[in-house]
Amino acid sequence: NAGVTQTPKFRVLKTGQSMTLLCAQDMNHEYMYWYRQDPGMGLRLIHYSVGEGTTAKGEVPDGYNVSRLKKQNFLLGLESAAPSQTSVYFCASSYGPAGYEQYFGPGTRLTVT
Amino acid sequence: KQEVTQIPAALSVPEGENLVLNCSFTDSAIYNLQWFRQDPGKGLTSLLLIQSSQREQTSGRLNASLDKSSGRSTLYIAASQPGDSATYLCAVKGSGGGADGLTFGKGTHLIIQP
Repeated sequence: NAGVTQTPKFRVLKTGQSMTLLCAQDMNHEYMYWYRQDPGMGLRLIHYSVGEGTTAKGEVPDGYNVSRLKKQNFLLGLESAAPSQTSVYFCASSYGPAGYEQYFGPGTRLTVT
Repeated sequence: KQEVTQIPAALSVPEGENLVLNCSFTDSAIYNLQWFRQDPGKGLTSLLLIQSSQREQTSGRLNASLDKSSGRSTLYIAASQPGDSATYLCAVKGSGGGADGLTFGKGTHLIIQP
């Protein structure tokens, strides 16, 4: 039982390049989330999904897209990376929307130059 | 908009002391509150989850309390050890009915001196 895994662990992009971050969970959770963590800002929600084939915007969705084609995977895409997207990205999952713990992955450290 | 504040931002104490970390939130309409631990360069590890109907939860040397009406939670760590050194994050789940995520505080950076 690996829990929540994220790939890659580190990535450096040039401004304007694109990339996809992959999150996978093996706990059969319905709900999945993408957060970013910036110094002095705390974690902020980017997008979330309440089940396979569904996605919704969080607090800071601009510049990101997501897809949930399979229940166990939640992808975060950056179509045209900007230096402001330099951050640590965390994926999380939970069994339900409320009353349940969220379990976090180890994070992806992204630098955009 | 929900805001979560953690005090102090940093704390350094000798090994063996009991300590209290504080968390406050502005909107008392929450489903639950979760305390996490984050080690440098690592992900978040869930420590305790308190439902809005509960007053406290305990796990080993950790005890978390919740006073929803006053918008406060505390994390009590007994007999602190150097291995407890980490950043502790408090997060709340709003009861607005949607499936959106947690609102986090900025954390308390804790150092336990051997």
